[in-house]
Amino acid sequence: EAEVAQSPRYKITEKSQAVAFWCDPISGHATLYWYRQILGQGPELLVQFQDESVVDDSQLPKDRFSAERLKGVDSTLKIQPAELGDSAMYLCASSLISGNTIYFGEGSWLTVV
Amino acid sequence: SQQGEEDPQALSIQEGENATMNCSYKTSINNLQWYRQNSGRGLVHLILIRSNEREKHSGRLRVTLDTSKKSSSLLITASRAADTASYFCVANQGGSEKLVFGKGMKLTVNP
Repeated sequence: EAEVAQSPRYKITEKSQAVAFWCDPISGHATLYWYRQILGQGPELLVQFQDESVVDDSQLPKDRFSAERLKGVDSTLKIQPAELGDSAMYLCASSLISGNTIYFGEGSWLTVV
Repeated sequence: SQQGEEDPQALSIQEGENATMNCSYKTSINNLQWYRQNSGRGLVHLILIRSNEREKHSGRLRVTLDTSKKSSSLLITASRAADTASYFCVANQGGSEKLVFGKGMKLTVNP
């Protein structure tokens, strides 16, 4: 069964350092999402792509976070500089059509020390 | 965009019992989706029910939707320890509206 691939699975970084997460969605899925999930909370949408275009990044802290999906396939989420409050799980997900079933990756755990 | 609100926030039952989780939302929807998340893992889609459907089944799962009350329920029958997880409902208004997740409901099934 096709899956959303994410890496790395775990990342520990010092504050003020840069960190990047990679995601490969299910083949053919035009919509790609990056969510952030703090322990005990639900996932919060950071950015949503439709093909290579950003359709929603209203919750993305743009002073330190950036996301790209250059060829409309895989995507990278970058944080620079990382802060202690960025410690969370970063989930990538994709869907065939926006608003329909979302398929999630296993997530990337970030710990900022 | 709108957020589904799960109720109760936590539920603890014995294996073999049924578990019912409720979800409320505020405006009209295109569909409503339920997801499960095992501790430390990604979310897994369980079931999608469209606004013109009233009930849907998938294995031990039964979902109902009452658009007049703006509510949905997820019933897990004959629960197993492996059903221990957090459950989220997501109300989709349709169009380009983003899907917003609530805090979820933590289900614990004791063996």
